[in-house]
Amino acid sequence: AQSVTQLDSHVSVSEGTPVLLRCNYSSSYSPSLFWYVQHPNKGLQLLLKYTSAATLVKGINGFEAEFKKSETSFHLTKPSAHMSDAAEYFCVVSEYAGGTSYGKLTFGQGTILTVHP
Amino acid sequence: KAGVTQTPRYLIKTRGQQVTLSCSPISGHRSVSWYQQTPGQGLQFLFEYFSETQRNKGNFPGRFSGRQFSNSRSEMNVSTLELGDSALYLCASSLTGMGEQYFGPGTRLTVT
Repeated sequence: AQSVTQLDSHVSVSEGTPVLLRCNYSSSYSPSLFWYVQHPNKGLQLLLKYTSAATLVKGINGFEAEFKKSETSFHLTKPSAHMSDAAEYFCVVSEYAGGTSYGKLTFGQGTILTVHP
Repeated sequence: KAGVTQTPRYLIKTRGQQVTLSCSPISGHRSVSWYQQTPGQGLQFLFEYFSETQRNKGNFPGRFSGRQFSNSRSEMNVSTLELGDSALYLCASSLTGMGEQYFGPGTRLTVT
């Protein structure tokens, strides 16, 4: 069975400083991993995805994430935070395990990122 | 390319009533998944449809049902509404049901 743990429910940074949002996953198969962002009263937007190619994945808006199999981690980083990055971020896992996995994404509990001026 | 659309965006219903939510996927996407988002439980998978067939179902009571039409549009229905059904219902589409999904803006359902 697949599961995701986001290690921080809230992260607060100053504008222009680095962002680190931590995620650990559990999967019985070779997983696909994603980060999604949700701004208030909006749907979810795909930031980036890992699907067993390069372990360092670049996404939109300057975000990137590194897949570390030995640590079962997929942390999201950004070198310099912008006010517009304030939102809730979700680490998500998908694995192919036959019929029970079709169309199913498993979400972490989310990390709320606050950016101070 | 147009994104995933959901209607209506907001709904207020009374306990015991039923409700139908609609989702139009990205053109060419045949898989539609539905999720419930609440502050307490987070995002939970409801079910997935592909080519008018339900292929996967989450752990929700039978009051939650869905269907998909030949044009890939999908509807979900909740019967005998309970206060705990108040949530944001998100629809997502993908080409095959595996890999990344693209989400609509959601329908905010309030049950009073």
